[in-house]
Amino acid sequence: EIVMTQSPATLSVSPGERATLSCRASQSVSSNLAWYQQKPGQAPRLLIYGASTRATGIPARFSGSGSGTEFTLTISSLQSEDFAVYYCQQYNNWPPGWHTFGQGTKLEIK
Amino acid sequence: EVQLVESGGGLVQPGGSLRLSCSASGFTFSSYAMHWVRQAPGKGLEYVSAISSNGGSTYYADSVKGRFTISRDNSKNTLYLQMSSLRAEDTAVYYCVKGRELLIAEYFQHWGQGTLVTVSS
Repeated sequence: EIVMTQSPATLSVSPGERATLSCRASQSVSSNLAWYQQKPGQAPRLLIYGASTRATGIPARFSGSGSGTEFTLTISSLQSEDFAVYYCQQYNNWPPGWHTFGQGTKLEIK
Repeated sequence: EVQLVESGGGLVQPGGSLRLSCSASGFTFSSYAMHWVRQAPGKGLEYVSAISSNGGSTYYADSVKGRFTISRDNSKNTLYLQMSSLRAEDTAVYYCVKGRELLIAEYFQHWGQGTLVTVSS
């Protein structure tokens, strides 16, 4: 099973600054990597798929990069509504373990 | 607009059973695979189960295999998750997720709001 590891666990950033979140796969997932945002009491919201393609309605300040085993989600200028937990997910593999999520990065206000 | 509404969660004793339902609308339900993803309180996301559009293919995570059964009624636009032999570690919010037309590895665009299952004596 592919293990997804996110870092850091918690990231403290001031509004208006840039945030960079990392996700590492235990083996190559090509570009089959998605990012989600989750706020308390809400379902996850798809931000990025294919490692770098923004989902419908996602602001341009969110960008994804990487391929293989190393991936990054960048939020260029943090808005108040961006403080949340972010998860990466690989969808490269076949069963078992064909959809595995990272443990999450909590983005908090500094 | 795609809408997924879960129901059936609640408090159940260890060893007990529960059936979750997910009512779907806004798309041709019978044409799409469906998934269940869960999230324990304060924890991350865990992929649980999947079913093909016609119900002919199913998948289970090792953590629930042999205890959970996924099914669907395309005439009622409803997805189910029958959970038995429940354990404390099954306590979680269970999300219904729309898939693609084929049952393949994919990212998830459409999620329900979730239903909470609590396994406790």
